[in-house]
Amino acid sequence: EVQLVESGGGLVKPGGSLRLSCAASGFTFITYSMTWVRQAPGKGLEWVSSISSTSNYIYYADSVKGRFTISRDNAQNSVSLQMDSLRVEDTAVYYCVRPRPGWAFDIWGQGTVVTVSS
Amino acid sequence: EIVMTQSPVTLSVSPGETATLSCRASQSVSVNLAWYQQKPGQAPRLLIYAASTRATGIPARFSGSGTGTEFTLTISSLQSEDFAVYYCQQYDNWPPLTFGQGTRLDIK
Repeated sequence: EVQLVESGGGLVKPGGSLRLSCAASGFTFITYSMTWVRQAPGKGLEWVSSISSTSNYIYYADSVKGRFTISRDNAQNSVSLQMDSLRVEDTAVYYCVRPRPGWAFDIWGQGTVVTVSS
Repeated sequence: EIVMTQSPVTLSVSPGETATLSCRASQSVSVNLAWYQQKPGQAPRLLIYAASTRATGIPARFSGSGTGTEFTLTISSLQSEDFAVYYCQQYDNWPPLTFGQGTRLDIK
């Protein structure tokens, strides 16, 4: 079964850091780019960051650029999102997603909740 | 940045009828457009990609059309499980990848 499982969410104070992880299984991880998408409470979907299969290409939304770092470990079939200098507006469910060729997202994790609050 | 605008914000339709949801792009995205369904407490599910291709396991009552800047998701013979929020997403010109704000499909 193709599966993505996120972990690492939690409650953190503004200015703090958190590292999200996503474990992939059931597909040849090294052949896929990976992406993080977030959803603030009661709001729509927002693309956060993407990384190519060999980490050659990395992209960030302007809202997180300079604060978040995406990385992957193809030996461990995992992708991570290091989140620093967190802000209240970063509060959201963070989804790890796999894009099919063409960048529509066909596989989604269950999401991990990040709450930034004092 | 390509802005995606969905209409209406909320759509009320009776079971068994047809729902028509719209998505407009601020500039052409060719056919690089996807539709997702999201139910409360769940992750989104891919319905349509390349504007009109159904994803694996998606029933034939879901259909997508359009090209350029105007797109439509049509859901025929609405079932109870179809009432949800629907999002469109462009992947033609990025970063950033952008989503519409969503259309909530309610039972009438």
